[in-house]
Amino acid sequence: GEDVEQSLFLSVREGDSSVINCTYTDSSSTYLYWYKQEPGAGLQLLTYIFSNMDMKQDQRLTVLLNKKDKHLSLRIADTQTGDSAIYFCARGDNYGQNFVFGPGTRLSVLP
Amino acid sequence: NAGVMQNPRHLVRRRGQEARLRCSPMKGHSHVYWYRQLPEEGLKFMVYLQKENIIDESGMPKERFSAEFPKEGPSILRIQQVVRGDSAAYFCASSSDREGGTEAFFGQGTRLTVV
Repeated sequence: GEDVEQSLFLSVREGDSSVINCTYTDSSSTYLYWYKQEPGAGLQLLTYIFSNMDMKQDQRLTVLLNKKDKHLSLRIADTQTGDSAIYFCARGDNYGQNFVFGPGTRLSVLP
Repeated sequence: NAGVMQNPRHLVRRRGQEARLRCSPMKGHSHVYWYRQLPEEGLKFMVYLQKENIIDESGMPKERFSAEFPKEGPSILRIQQVVRGDSAAYFCASSSDREGGTEAFFGQGTRLTVV
């Protein structure tokens, strides 16, 4: 299987919480990242977590890292229609080196 | 300070032609990375360059693809004799080499269509 895996689709209702999951097999990277890609656009860094951390919160975003299970999740509280996009999980080192991306999860927010 | 600039945004080439994709990194950034995003797939690393040097090209196809990052000017990803399977979005990212830096900034991508 691929190194970094994600489910491909997620639908939630506006106002609900979204949880996007990611698993990986190679734990050698320094950081784990979440990027957002809107239609026709580049990738926007949402947040990242150092591989020695368990949790990071940034406004509506909460990242949880389970190192034992090699599982990363991104929770978006109070999901809005503007959150509809593809979310990529990635592992990598400083300065963008050795990035490996997952296939992306397409989040659809229903009114 | 402009972000990472890629051009063209859209490129259409006939089979057998050459495609040249350009990437101007953010000001002050000396590291450039190229990624390819195939339809319905994630991003795959292609090549990592610093000024005048290819650091890691482990993701580049062995034939027809080349990349450079000259002392002056943008980084260029060149695809010779394009085939339909080369149709994809090609993203460039750049980063600085400041201690503690973690972020690679991405451009908007060039969408290559081979007809």
